Amino acid sequence: EVQLLESGGGLAQPGGSLRLSCAASGFTFHSYGMSWVRQAPGKGLEWVSSSSGSGDSTYYADSVEGRFTISRDNSKDTLSLHMSSLRAEDTAVYFCAKGGGYGDPMDVWGQGTTVTVSS
Amino acid sequence: SYVLTQPPSVSVAPGETASLTCGGNSIEGKSVQWYQQRAGQAPVLVIYYDSDRPSEIPERLSGSNSGNTATLTISRVEAADEADYYCQVWDGSNDHWVFGGGTKLTVL
Repeated sequence: EVQLLESGGGLAQPGGSLRLSCAASGFTFHSYGMSWVRQAPGKGLEWVSSSSGSGDSTYYADSVEGRFTISRDNSKDTLSLHMSSLRAEDTAVYFCAKGGGYGDPMDVWGQGTTVTVSS
Repeated sequence: SYVLTQPPSVSVAPGETASLTCGGNSIEGKSVQWYQQRAGQAPVLVIYYDSDRPSEIPERLSGSNSGNTATLTISRVEAADEADYYCQVWDGSNDHWVFGGGTKLTVL
């Protein structure tokens, strides 16, 4: 069974940093692109970032470009999102999703981890 | 940047057919995905590449894409179909994913 388990969410101050992780199991991790998608309270889905299977190609939404970095450790089947210069508008549930590498559908999603940016 | 437009809400009686639309400029030239998100849960892929369906998704859900509108059709609507539905495309012009604003489907 394919499973994705996010962790690392919590409270951060404006201007601060946070690192999210997503532990994957049940599939050949390095063969698939992976993505992060967020959802602000009461709002819709917003794509954040995607990575190719190898990690060589990465893509970012304009709203996070230059502040967030997606990475993956294919030896540990783990996807990460390093978030810096955090803003109040980054407050959201962050979902990890299998897929999303250059147009591939996001076919499995984790349950999400909550990030709150507040002083 | 590419924009996807969805009606905020659609209501339908049980047993009827719901048509959820997703508008975008020449969207027929793009592959459309649809995600279902029930209250308090993670999104679930229900349609990919315009009209393909994951094996676990019932045949009552189907997708089409033509001109400037993609459509998710849910036949014989059930209470369990009540959810938010999001369309999504890959914008190859800037290597960005785009989500529509979502449609809340209410089963009366």
